[in-house]
Amino acid sequence: DAGVIQSPRHEVTEMGQEVTLRCKPISGHNSLFWYRQTMMRGLELLIYFNNNVPIDDSGMPEDRFSAKMPNASFSTLKIQPSEPRDSAVYFCASSQTGNGYTFGSGTRLTVV
Amino acid sequence: AQSVTQLGSHVSVSEGALVLLRCNYSSSVPPYLFWYVQYPNQGLQLLLKYTSAATLVKGINGFEAEFKKSETSFHLTKPSAHMSDAAEYFCAVSDRGGGFKTIFGAGTRLFVKA
Repeated sequence: DAGVIQSPRHEVTEMGQEVTLRCKPISGHNSLFWYRQTMMRGLELLIYFNNNVPIDDSGMPEDRFSAKMPNASFSTLKIQPSEPRDSAVYFCASSQTGNGYTFGSGTRLTVV
Repeated sequence: AQSVTQLGSHVSVSEGALVLLRCNYSSSVPPYLFWYVQYPNQGLQLLLKYTSAATLVKGINGFEAEFKKSETSFHLTKPSAHMSDAAEYFCAVSDRGGGFKTIFGAGTRLFVKA
């Protein structure tokens, strides 16, 4: 298994632009999570899905952030418009209920 | 609500010495507990997990952790540190409801001196 695959690995964009982060979870995992990691705030859960349905999006910072999971093998996290304070590493993780998470390698987002 | 507190943002040990990383949790229901490790520029990797079976849990790379309900603790140990153990370690707690949302601690960075 190739693990959780995230793309792109690095993204540099200008303030105001739309950014889309992508994630392919491990086949057979029924839960998918989006986290953001910064030095100041550590790991923050943004949103998670169970069987492709969003369960808890209370961590999404504001309306500029949105996430979708159209099928069991793909999810996106979109920021529109992006701001410099969105600069962080964004991780996607998947799991089979009750087990630990498998994390992707992350997307390092820089908004200038 | 669940929470995790990791005691010490930085821990430094000599190579060959005991590693002890402390974690205390708060949970209103029997928790699932985890330790993850993160190497630079990588995602988190699961080290071990406690899911209500044996209270002493063995993980990868020689690490183990003991669940102590009376102390609400889940400390991570390794008898002999290796240079390759230098990384950041995260304790995490998960509920048993739908989705098993996991809350992570702030992390402890482990330094290993030669």
